[in-house]
Amino acid sequence: DADVTQTPRNRITKTGKRIMLECSQTKGHDRMYWYRQDPGLGLRLIYYSFDVKDINKGEISDGYSVSRQAQAKFSLSLESAIPNQTALYFCATSDSNRRTEAFFGQGTRLTVV
Amino acid sequence: SQKIEQNSEALNIQEGKTATLTCNYTNYSPAYLQWYRQDPGRGPVFLLLIRENEKEKRKERLKVTFDTTLKQSLFHITASQPADSATYLCALDSGNNRKLIWGLGTSLAVNP
Repeated sequence: DADVTQTPRNRITKTGKRIMLECSQTKGHDRMYWYRQDPGLGLRLIYYSFDVKDINKGEISDGYSVSRQAQAKFSLSLESAIPNQTALYFCATSDSNRRTEAFFGQGTRLTVV
Repeated sequence: SQKIEQNSEALNIQEGKTATLTCNYTNYSPAYLQWYRQDPGRGPVFLLLIRENEKEKRKERLKVTFDTTLKQSLFHITASQPADSATYLCALDSGNNRKLIWGLGTSLAVNP
């Protein structure tokens, strides 16, 4: 089983619909992140959470919201999807006690039509 | 503003040669730098981390250098193989609660 699991893996949704992307991890890490990746723009941070009660906006949070339901779960919501939110979305985790790597999920490919 | 630059052009090399990828940064004093590999449609996978007080780090066929004076890291893959073909990303500790700042990546193609 993957250490960081994202669901769904692929999703096509219509403009204006609300959609939730879910992420769960078995690493025991305290920090979780949501990124989107677009060709030519690289990884951009949407939201990050350093623990269950600490949630912060990243560089492109407009149009998104998050919920940290437990240390292991961090979900991303698009309240009213729009076509320019079509992208590859990644969840990642890291351990604040160690300056080590980020672990990424498999990604969710979201298409808004 | 803080900025990270990686070779934007794809790198094509012959199998068996050494691939060298560059990561330059400005307006940072990162405590450490990381390199990741990303295959199409998949999440980045960690390869190596090098700290500010380290000049060089090796892992099997991989070598990373870190020059804090030049503000540059070089990532080398020796005896390259077609299976090394991927996009390679560098990431820096931003100093801001240790959030990572990412480069755009360099695409490497190793031809048989």
